[in-house]
Amino acid sequence: DQQVKQNSPSLSVQEGRISILNCDYTNSMFDYFLWYKKYPAEGPTFLISISSIKDKNEDGRFTVFLNKSAKHLSLHIVPSQPGDSAVYFCAASERGTYKYIFGTGTRLKVLA
Amino acid sequence: KAGVTQTPRYLIKTRGQQVTLSCSPISGHRSVSWYQQTPGQGLQFLFEYFSETQRNKGNFPGRFSGRQFSNSRSEMNVSTLELGDSALYLCASSFRTGGTGELFFGEGSRLTVL
Repeated sequence: DQQVKQNSPSLSVQEGRISILNCDYTNSMFDYFLWYKKYPAEGPTFLISISSIKDKNEDGRFTVFLNKSAKHLSLHIVPSQPGDSAVYFCAASERGTYKYIFGTGTRLKVLA
Repeated sequence: KAGVTQTPRYLIKTRGQQVTLSCSPISGHRSVSWYQQTPGQGLQFLFEYFSETQRNKGNFPGRFSGRQFSNSRSEMNVSTLELGDSALYLCASSFRTGGTGELFFGEGSRLTVL
């Protein structure tokens, strides 16, 4: 049972435009969410996080939105740059479980 | 500040053998987690350690085991290797003690089982 789903395996966006990556979850007990970026042959790099007590968190070009009623979060990248081309993973955690559940990833390609 | 260090980076084994992977967390981080990444499956949680205690374990067979030492360094072992164990094994450390907070990943150990 996939508790964290990224239903879009890939996404292509023009440079300078907005990239929107989506993530859905099924476990209402998840209370902390992370986004990671991964380049080939490297480990995932932390991008941004959000706690369930918030519905938005911003860090530079990256903004994460959390809709708890819909069990949905999204990552917005504005403006998109070619260097943003990578695989993006969302992850969720339930307090006290000491583990994160990751989605299967979305491959973003930013076209110059 | 040094990042998470994993060794070896690449290794090739044959079915039936065993393998040990090592992870040195960021200095001061006491929580170490292990994940398996395979194509199309994302990152699958293996186990998490804190102060030498395993606090959670994922849905993997008993062939997968791990431990953490007093200096927070961790090892994972896979015995009786199968072809399906070929994957990228990622170690992550965290400063937070409560089980939430950012994970900082190493570059991974890529295991190929022939």
